[in-house]
Amino acid sequence: AQRVTQPEKLLSVFKGAPVELKCNYSYSGSPELFWYVQYSRQRLQLLLRHISRESIKGFTADLNKGETSFHLKKPFAQEEDSAMYYCALRGTPDKLIFGTGTRLQVFP
Amino acid sequence: DTGVSQDPRHKITKRGQNVTFRCDPISEHNRLYWYRQTLGQGPEFLTYFQNEAQLEKSRLLSDRFSAERPKGSFSTLEIQRTEQGDSAMYLCASSLAGGSGNTIYFGEGSWLTVV
Repeated sequence: AQRVTQPEKLLSVFKGAPVELKCNYSYSGSPELFWYVQYSRQRLQLLLRHISRESIKGFTADLNKGETSFHLKKPFAQEEDSAMYYCALRGTPDKLIFGTGTRLQVFP
Repeated sequence: DTGVSQDPRHKITKRGQNVTFRCDPISEHNRLYWYRQTLGQGPEFLTYFQNEAQLEKSRLLSDRFSAERPKGSFSTLEIQRTEQGDSAMYLCASSLAGGSGNTIYFGEGSWLTVV
């Protein structure tokens, strides 16, 4: 089965606190994973992908094949990080399979 | 804005009516996807096209739903005999040919409310 699980619907932190949004996946084969973000009143947009091993807006995510996880992390949250975050898996045939999303609220 | 565009952005219709949504992908993108999103859920795959060929349809796409991409550019998604359960956001996305490294870009979505 191809599935993405995001266990938290809501994550609330204060500005400057560390953030970790959890994502677990189920996939047989070599997975390709993404984090998409949706800010208020904006379209869904790609935040980062695991193959790029990049840091975007201070966020990083490491693929852990042993734990089948792709958690999104940021050491110091900012108010502008408040948004809906979706973890996604590129399934077969070529399509994205999304988790249910986690709403991140960063309080001042 | 040269991103994926969708029309209309909002549609309210009575149960039993037909509705059609249009999607214009990013120019030169030959892959086009339709997703559906309901409250509290992530986007769910419905179907996708490679140029004008519809390559896969999800079991979520009942026979009341039909999608076309006649010239390999814009696409339409028609829902016939709408039901209240069809109320959702319908998202269109596009990308260059599939495979790793090709980003899938989303439109702003079309909200459907069936009353």
